[in-house]
Amino acid sequence: DGGITQSPKYLFRKEGQNVTLSCEQNLNHDAMYWYRQDPGQGLRLIYYSQIVNDFQKGDIAEGYSVSREKKESFPLTVTSAQKNPTAFYLCASSIGPPNQPQHFGDGTRLSIL
Amino acid sequence: AQKVTQAQTEISVVEKEDVTLDCVYETRDTTYYLFWYKQPPSGELVFLIRRNSFDEQNEISGRYSWNFQKSTSSFNFTITASQVVDSAVYFCALRSVFFSGSARQLTFGSGTQLTVLP
Repeated sequence: DGGITQSPKYLFRKEGQNVTLSCEQNLNHDAMYWYRQDPGQGLRLIYYSQIVNDFQKGDIAEGYSVSREKKESFPLTVTSAQKNPTAFYLCASSIGPPNQPQHFGDGTRLSIL
Repeated sequence: AQKVTQAQTEISVVEKEDVTLDCVYETRDTTYYLFWYKQPPSGELVFLIRRNSFDEQNEISGRYSWNFQKSTSSFNFTITASQVVDSAVYFCALRSVFFSGSARQLTFGSGTQLTVLP
């Protein structure tokens, strides 16, 4: 089945540690996105990529990094510079044009040990 | 540049009641798209509907209906004869066409937690 796979479902980070969240899609979508969701809040855009080997900062990119070496993969690294990383992280993909809906993965819940 | 407001943080209804979720948006763009997504407890956002700024026709899909009114910048969502399975967080979102960079991306409201009681 076509879809977006995020792993792991739960992740724990120690102070000063970088962690990487995986996002893979087999929908052949050009665009991919990372969002952060905090309790009682909407989704905020961290990074997005419209095409392979290119990505752009979203509204809250500080403390995060991404890569887009393959069309189907868009991993997100939460660095030690992100002082408040506890949140629910959602990856999405879309065909590209702004009228197209985004399709979401099941999310990764990141907590601090 | 753009903003989506969902003033209802939480709504509780009893099964079979009708319920309307409000969405008010702001944008300087004349061409834009509005979306509704459902987030069940599992966490994945599920796309429900898209509406473009030139199409003010209301839409009905089974028990779901949407009322888009450009004059009041609103895109409200009504569930008729609600069911327990409708319990979820519902997000309204806006995407403009002509802004550049991250301003052109999807802007979400803060969501409405709907609880349908049996």
